[in-house]
Amino acid sequence: SQQGEEDPQALSIQEGENATMNCSYKTSINNLQWYRQNSGRGLVHLILIRSNEREKHSGRLRVTLDTSKKSSSLLITASRAADTASYFCATGAGGTSYGKLTFGQGTILTVHP
Amino acid sequence: DTGVSQNPRHKITKRGQNVTFRCDPISEHNRLYWYRQTLGQGPEFLTYFQNEAQLEKSRLLSDRFSAERPKGSFSTLEIQRTEQGDSAMYLCASSLDRVEAFFGQGTRLTVV
Repeated sequence: SQQGEEDPQALSIQEGENATMNCSYKTSINNLQWYRQNSGRGLVHLILIRSNEREKHSGRLRVTLDTSKKSSSLLITASRAADTASYFCATGAGGTSYGKLTFGQGTILTVHP
Repeated sequence: DTGVSQNPRHKITKRGQNVTFRCDPISEHNRLYWYRQTLGQGPEFLTYFQNEAQLEKSRLLSDRFSAERPKGSFSTLEIQRTEQGDSAMYLCASSLDRVEAFFGQGTRLTVV
């Protein structure tokens, strides 16, 4: 079953604008990861944030995590047409399920040139 | 290329047939995962291995599904007596103790 929900389900913006995607989850987590998937292809790992971290940056990506609200956001700044893809958040539990990821349903991002 | 490799990329099979997919993880990665993804959905966890040991299996993995990782390197996922509902993308991922998992391109299965 899906762990969380992503919002919005679809986002359409112009090149150069910022894109913000949100993810909510239900249970306690050890970490949260964001992945990108181009149509019909595999997933590309973007960034990982641990449960004791609040914010992380990687290039044009900024991820925040609020464990009290069980939510995360992914910000892509200065978007490019090549950023067009589906974006998924995935949560990782600790303990015996340490290696298992639970994905949301994804946000489809379209960046118009 | 040192990424996760999956074969075949596409498989079309008739209902009732058996199919087997292969995943070659990034070398020295000790953890290997299988996921299934249907159209418009996020991937769903099926099972994972640490070295050759299968540590967890999802309830999605019915008796018709079996996965192996015999020497702790490559893995196979077999589906017996395929059904139309098995049509999906099957994704393999690997990691080295750290939690970042790297995914292959997937095997798209179509059951007709």
